Amino acid sequence: GENVEQHPSTLSVQEGDSAVIKCTYSDSASNYFPWYKQELGKGPQLIIDIRSNVGEKKDQRIAVTLNKTAKHFSLHITETQPEDSAVYFCAASTGQAGTALIFGKGTTLSVSS
Amino acid sequence: DGGITQSPKYLFRKEGQNVTLSCEQNLNHDAMYWYRQDPGQGLRLIYYSQIVNDFQKGDIAEGYSVSREKKESFPLTVTSAQKNPTAFYLCASSAGHSYEQYFGPGTRLTVT
Repeated sequence: GENVEQHPSTLSVQEGDSAVIKCTYSDSASNYFPWYKQELGKGPQLIIDIRSNVGEKKDQRIAVTLNKTAKHFSLHITETQPEDSAVYFCAASTGQAGTALIFGKGTTLSVSS
Repeated sequence: DGGITQSPKYLFRKEGQNVTLSCEQNLNHDAMYWYRQDPGQGLRLIYYSQIVNDFQKGDIAEGYSVSREKKESFPLTVTSAQKNPTAFYLCASSAGHSYEQYFGPGTRLTVT
């Protein structure tokens, strides 16, 4: 089955710096890759996603890149702000819509001002 | 407000008791999911349902049961057979044609 590995487990940056979180997946059939942000005690919030037929997607300060050949995808956050501090999860889906996501173990991002 | 509600936010039970966690959505989504989250871990799938009256086991279904009698509701029962039930439980839903899953606020279950 699919396995998703996420690195680093913790990341500390200064306000205004960029942050990059990387994930690798094992199943070449995976076709959907979302990123979630989870604040303490809350449910994860979908922040950006990418399909396997796209190499890069941007939404304001966040972007996701996908390398299908290497089977890895990354989250890029530019001009980080203290409110970006949270746990970020990557995930992958190998099935049709309506089937499960396989999650990485998360990255705790701390942005200090 | 449209969204997913989970109740209660905190739940305490004694070992050996069954407990049911509620999940309701008013998004008209076809698919619903239950995930379990432990400290320092990602989310692991317990059960999911793509349509009413049908559901499939996830990776860690042992000790749990679900029902899907209504499109908007997907309750999860944590039975006494679950060896380590203390965790943060998250419910999610998605439209039938979409991969995007949206999560509720979660229920933190503590069993002593």
